[in-house]
Amino acid sequence: DTGVSQDPRHKITKRGQNVTFRCDPISEHNRLYWYRQTLGQGPEFLTYFQNEAQLEKSRLLSDRFSAERPKGSFSTLEIQRTEQGDSAMYLCASSLAEVRIYGYTFGSGTRLTVV
Amino acid sequence: EDQVTQSPEALRLQEGESSSLNCSYTVSGLRGLFWYRQDPGKGPEFLFTLYSAGEEKEKERLKATLTKKESFLHITAPKPEDSATYLCAALNDYKLSFGAGTTVTVRA
Repeated sequence: DTGVSQDPRHKITKRGQNVTFRCDPISEHNRLYWYRQTLGQGPEFLTYFQNEAQLEKSRLLSDRFSAERPKGSFSTLEIQRTEQGDSAMYLCASSLAEVRIYGYTFGSGTRLTVV
Repeated sequence: EDQVTQSPEALRLQEGESSSLNCSYTVSGLRGLFWYRQDPGKGPEFLFTLYSAGEEKEKERLKATLTKKESFLHITAPKPEDSATYLCAALNDYKLSFGAGTTVTVRA
């Protein structure tokens, strides 16, 4: 296992188009998180899964955003009708249940540019 | 609401010039204070976790300390390869709340 994988690494899309990102967590990690990071800011929490259950969604996650984690393995984050304000780095992280001890392991992110 | 504030925003150091980064936090039920390093275009990389006031952890030229309200990351005799953004994050139950980071540039 080589860590958390995210695909694609970069995505350029036109405003109004839909985009989907994929995250493959570390296989034994049952928790998965999506964060968004804009230039000069720290990562902001978007949503959290424990196995296949989505347990929390941030207010930042508008109705245009949806995340899934079928079968508790990989996860997808879809943004519908993209806007220029959606341009950011989207980070996926995974962890064991003992977050306090092991923290999160992050992927390298997907950089989205909406033109 | 949980808040994590880092200062300064940016730090330019000469190689060998030691300095400290600050992270102040307001988190109910803090379960751990984390430091991450982030290189441009990459995801954050875990450095340390601190759990209780008075605790210290070291890794090469980095040392992290924790009080009841703040954490400090001390960089001793930095090298150019220490140039990165350093992120502080507070853990509340399962969720990490991040500060905006301090971007450190070390000149040879």
